[in-house]
Amino acid sequence: ETGVTQTPRHLVMGMTNKKSLKCEQHLGHNAMYWYKQSAKKPLELMFVYSLEERVENNSVPSRFSPECPNSSHLFLHLHTLQPEDSALYLCASSQNTGTRWGDTQYFGPGTRLTVL
Amino acid sequence: SQQGEEDPQALSIQEGENATMNCSYKTSINNLQWYRQNSGRGLVHLILIRSNEREKHSGRLRVTLDTSKKSSSLLITASRAADTASYFCATSNISNFGNEKLTFGTGTRLTIIP
Repeated sequence: ETGVTQTPRHLVMGMTNKKSLKCEQHLGHNAMYWYKQSAKKPLELMFVYSLEERVENNSVPSRFSPECPNSSHLFLHLHTLQPEDSALYLCASSQNTGTRWGDTQYFGPGTRLTVL
Repeated sequence: SQQGEEDPQALSIQEGENATMNCSYKTSINNLQWYRQNSGRGLVHLILIRSNEREKHSGRLRVTLDTSKKSSSLLITASRAADTASYFCATSNISNFGNEKLTFGTGTRLTIIP
């Protein structure tokens, strides 16, 4: 549907586990994003990567660690999470960042994360 | 801080009727975008309106933008059951890092009753 895939779609983990979320975009875009969506809260931007370089980090706790090995792949490494980190994690991509008129962002289906 | 706020939070209408959702924001913007999200899924881009535009159409969608009132509306005409979803407005401006940043509201939950 959108050219952005995310795996896994669902993840249940304990607070002491280490897991990773994966995002892949097949659109030839240069920018990728991680968002967190919690119930009844606005979508929260976590990280922005442009041409594999992290260009924005919105005060996200260090237990979330992003990695962008190339412009098509984005990972979110998770460790020692808290129950309040349970949410839908969405990946998105866009052609570029920093353009005046804005680029449409294309979202993946998300990973539903539950932290026990 | 939250930029876009949608109104109403929830809306139920009969199939075939028109649905109107509103979005208000606080600071100046480059553009405003509307997205749709089916339950537990990713967001799908619907339409983008630039700050120098006042109205835009796409199929059954009509978006207006009033920068003097810092508000936008999304009209879906002749609604269908498949339009049942949450709708989000997202305002675009440049962050302190020089990147375009989309700030999303909490959304309007639209239910179309067959």
